[in-house]
Amino acid sequence: DAGVTQSPTHLIKTRGQQVTLRCSPKSGHDTVSWYQQALGQGPQFIFQYYEEEERQRGNFPDRFSGHQFPNYSSELNVNALLLGDSALYLCASSPTTSGRVYEQYFGPGTRLTVT
Amino acid sequence: AQTVTQSQPEMSVQEAETVTLSCTYDTSENNYYLFWYKQPPSRQMILVIRQEAYKQQNATENRFSVNFQKAAKSFSLKISDSQLGDTAMYFCAFIRKTSYDKVIFGPGTSLSVIP
Repeated sequence: DAGVTQSPTHLIKTRGQQVTLRCSPKSGHDTVSWYQQALGQGPQFIFQYYEEEERQRGNFPDRFSGHQFPNYSSELNVNALLLGDSALYLCASSPTTSGRVYEQYFGPGTRLTVT
Repeated sequence: AQTVTQSQPEMSVQEAETVTLSCTYDTSENNYYLFWYKQPPSRQMILVIRQEAYKQQNATENRFSVNFQKAAKSFSLKISDSQLGDTAMYFCAFIRKTSYDKVIFGPGTSLSVIP
């Protein structure tokens, strides 16, 4: 089992550009959550996808959007990048169908740098 | 709303010694899970230990144990026989025991194990 995978590992973008980050959940998991972790801080919840729909959303602007595919993988899109969007973006997967909400597995993250 | 607080931004411990990391949280829920996650410089968020609020017995995992005080809303992590590989950021985290939810993280404690 490869666990949760994310791509790319690192990304450098310019202000105003758009970026897409990708996540594949752990085998058997049907829910994907995205978190933003600024340097030296704890992760902050962006949103969660289940059955290809956004189920929960944190306090992030509409510039942050996502998608979940039928195979449960997910994308995070950020438009009109700001310097403040520079962070580590973490993906977590969990198995909603089995009810094991405590089973949260995290990927290695994508480091986004906005210049 | 739930909040998680970690009052120790940085800590250090001598190799082979014992160290305790503190965490307090605030919630009106009765049924929830608490976690300690470890994030080494490699960035991968790794689950160290998990505690279910309804279980009175403190969780243990090898050298890691917790002191869970539900009434005081306190959840500390004790690391015994500290090893160099324990050097990392440690995050205390909370999730409600529902069919699905987001993980709420504290700000983290940076632990350095000194040879």
